Amino acid sequence: GDSVTQMEGPVTLSEEAFLTINCTYTATGYPSLFWYVQYPGEGLQLLLKATKADDKGSNKGFEATYRKETTSFHLEKGSVQVSDSAVYFCALESGNEKLTFGTGTRLTIIP
Amino acid sequence: DGGITQSPKYLFRKEGQNVTLSCEQNLNHDAMYWYRQDPGQGLRLIYYSQIVNDFQKGDIAEGYSVSREKKESFPLTVTSAQKNPTAFYLCASSRQGMPDTQYFGPGTRLTVL
Repeated sequence: GDSVTQMEGPVTLSEEAFLTINCTYTATGYPSLFWYVQYPGEGLQLLLKATKADDKGSNKGFEATYRKETTSFHLEKGSVQVSDSAVYFCALESGNEKLTFGTGTRLTIIP
Repeated sequence: DGGITQSPKYLFRKEGQNVTLSCEQNLNHDAMYWYRQDPGQGLRLIYYSQIVNDFQKGDIAEGYSVSREKKESFPLTVTSAQKNPTAFYLCASSRQGMPDTQYFGPGTRLTVL
């Protein structure tokens, strides 16, 4: 079945540091890939997505590239801010009309 | 404003009691979903519904029940058969056939004492 494996957290960085959160997946066919963000006490918001190999999703300074050869969709940001502190979820959808989520990575940015 | 409403934000119940969590959306979405979120386990799908009067079990449906009598509403009942009901419950909705457009509600934290 489908599965998503995320880098375990928590991750703590200083403001303006470079961020990478790793995500790899197992799926049948050619899934669509997503990153969601959850701020404290809230539901999830879609951060970015990519629907085919080599696509790059981007939003709010975050980027992730769909790498079919390594089955990966790592999240990156060049310079993080305190406001980026949240839990980040990698997810996939492989045509069965359901999303499969990773376990989430808690990110804390220190001023 | 369009969105998804979940109420209440915090809910406490005694062990052995059934409890119903509310989820309402005014986005005119056909599909609705219930997830459970536990620390270190991400989101797991409980039930989903693609259309009114129809729903399917997700990965962890045991001990839960749902109904979909109206397009806008998808209540979830946590029954006494659910062994570990304390969790954060998230409701979502999307356009039919487009699960990648899921919008999430703010969640309900259920604590069973």
